[in-house]
Amino acid sequence: GENVEQHPSTLSVQEGDSAVIKCTYSDSASNYFPWYKQELGKRPQLIIDIRSNVGEKKDQRIAVTLNKTAKHFSLHITETQPEDSAVYFCAASMSGTYKYIFGTGTRLKVLA
Amino acid sequence: NAGVTQTPKFRVLKTGQSMTLLCAQDMNHEYMYWYRQDPGMGLRLIHYSVGEGTTAKGEVPDGYNVSRLKKQNFLLGLESAAPSQTSVYFCASRTLEESGYNSPLHFGNGTRLTVT
Repeated sequence: GENVEQHPSTLSVQEGDSAVIKCTYSDSASNYFPWYKQELGKRPQLIIDIRSNVGEKKDQRIAVTLNKTAKHFSLHITETQPEDSAVYFCAASMSGTYKYIFGTGTRLKVLA
Repeated sequence: NAGVTQTPKFRVLKTGQSMTLLCAQDMNHEYMYWYRQDPGMGLRLIHYSVGEGTTAKGEVPDGYNVSRLKKQNFLLGLESAAPSQTSVYFCASRTLEESGYNSPLHFGNGTRLTVT
């Protein structure tokens, strides 16, 4: 069945360093890929998303890259700050369906 | 706009008791979803709705029922709670597609349910 694999499950970085989280999807028909940030005890919130018609998207310190051939996409956070500490979820979705397939999450810890 | 509102925020049930979780959205969204979140397992879809009066099963529907009598509300019911249903429940909604791509999900604040 369809699935999204997310790695790593935990990631610790020093403040100011970069963090990269990778997801691989199985259904080649997927064409929309959002990333959500979930702080402890709070709701998942959309931080960035990418459509299949582009290969990269940036928003300040956050970027997402998409490789359709390899069926993987990655979240890049530069100049990490303590407030970036959270669980990050990737998801894959395809138009015309209700489905959002979520990865299992990455717990990012930014060490001051 | 309040967005997606879930009630209650916390609840403790005894095995066999029933309850209903309410999700309300004020964004006129067509799609609504119920997920459960357990440690290490991400977000698993329980039921979803593509419009008023329609519901469908997701990945883990057993033990749950839903109703969407009004477009803005999506109710999740537990008829006979079991300890395995201890979890955090999130409701989400989204609008129809935009330019041929699905739109992002908007989540509520969650309901933390404990079944003893």
